[in-house]
Amino acid sequence: NAGVTQTPKFQVLKTGQSMTLQCAQDMNHEYMSWYRQDPGMGLRLIHYSVGAGITDQGEVPNGYNVSRSTTEDFPLRLLSAAPSQTSVYFCASSYRASGELFFGEGSRLTVL
Amino acid sequence: GQQLNQSPQSMFIQEGEDVSMNCTSSSIFNTWLWYKQDPGEGPVLLIALYKAGELTSNGRLTAQFGITRKDSFLNISASIPSDVGIYFCAGQLYSGGYQKVTFGTGTKLQVIP
Repeated sequence: NAGVTQTPKFQVLKTGQSMTLQCAQDMNHEYMSWYRQDPGMGLRLIHYSVGAGITDQGEVPNGYNVSRSTTEDFPLRLLSAAPSQTSVYFCASSYRASGELFFGEGSRLTVL
Repeated sequence: GQQLNQSPQSMFIQEGEDVSMNCTSSSIFNTWLWYKQDPGEGPVLLIALYKAGELTSNGRLTAQFGITRKDSFLNISASIPSDVGIYFCAGQLYSGGYQKVTFGTGTKLQVIP
């Protein structure tokens, strides 16, 4: 049972580089989201999607893009990485009407 | 946006002691949830509460949904070393066609054997 799978687990970037964090779920969940976790800040919502073709901004969307072409996949793109984007990123999914989120194991990103 | 104040920020306790943590909000929520994050892992749901006043247990864990719908607490009885981790409260509110989940800042629990 894979659940929510995130790749890569670790990544180091230089300022200005771009990259994509991948997220896939095999539970047929409509709702998928990306959070970032910083010390003392808890989990903050970056972007979310309520279904294929539908995305919207969360609390801290600046510097990030998302798309949802399939139910299973929800990649997060950093177009021009900045040191302020150094964080641990979590992808989560759920049935649309539920707050019971299933999280991936996280992707630790460092921007130098 | 909505803010969740979670306390305490961290706690050190002796194995076998009971633990209590709480979460308050300036806004009401439809659902309160408690998650635990083990080191190096993603958060995992412990308990979900759906009605004001609801008291729910899951093994040694007990959580309550406050009557005002603006607060919740989590108790852990007879702590053991594997209880170590970060505990997050989360509130859920229907907004703009979906159920938005807001997380607290977390309570870091350390258990001394």
